[in-house]
Amino acid sequence: DSGVTQTPKHLITATGQRVTLRCSPRSGDLSVYWYQQSLDQGLQFLIQYYNGEERAKGNILERFSAQQFPDLHSELNLSSLELGDSALYFCASSVGTQGRVGSPLHFGNGTRLTVT
Amino acid sequence: AQKITQTQPGMFVQEKEAVTLDCTYDTSDQSYGLFWYKQPSSGEMIFLIYQGSYDEQNATEGRYSLNFQKARKSANLVISASQLGDSAMYFCAMREGRGGSQGNLIFGKGTKLSVKP
Repeated sequence: DSGVTQTPKHLITATGQRVTLRCSPRSGDLSVYWYQQSLDQGLQFLIQYYNGEERAKGNILERFSAQQFPDLHSELNLSSLELGDSALYFCASSVGTQGRVGSPLHFGNGTRLTVT
Repeated sequence: AQKITQTQPGMFVQEKEAVTLDCTYDTSDQSYGLFWYKQPSSGEMIFLIYQGSYDEQNATEGRYSLNFQKARKSANLVISASQLGDSAMYFCAMREGRGGSQGNLIFGKGTKLSVKP
């Protein structure tokens, strides 16, 4: 058990809808990362937060947004969903931010999103 | 250019034998970290081993070792005495000390390892 909790485990929704994925990091971890895993694109970094502030953005679509709350949990909001958004969405956490090359990311079990 | 390259989409190994999964990386940073993760069919991502760019010795964690060749920019994962439970996808990843990564990991496309009884 990595200590990172993601809910829900599965989500099935229709095109055009909006969903929210939730993540609670490991106790003591200040950084939260969101990744998207699809068969054709592999593991793609979306966005990182550190102690409530956005720190880095990757290949995140404008239809997607995220935030980290004062209690350090994070939410990823996906809107105007398209079939191509179907993927496994991971949240991960680590203790630090840039420069801490040795801190591994600890991943949650992911949320499998299916857009129909 | 790809930052992390895993050239073996799939590999087979006989139970109890050793196997090497290849990973090459590309960075201009002097400080960086290399990681290996395992993803079983159940989907979770499990951290296996870490190697820092300044570490002189190869990292080891139980049956896992990382064959780090800095000049060749390679960070191969060696699994000794393979077990059936080692069947999974294996991902190599890198964090650069400075520059655009800002602390996130960049992943390769993975190698699917199948252990035969």
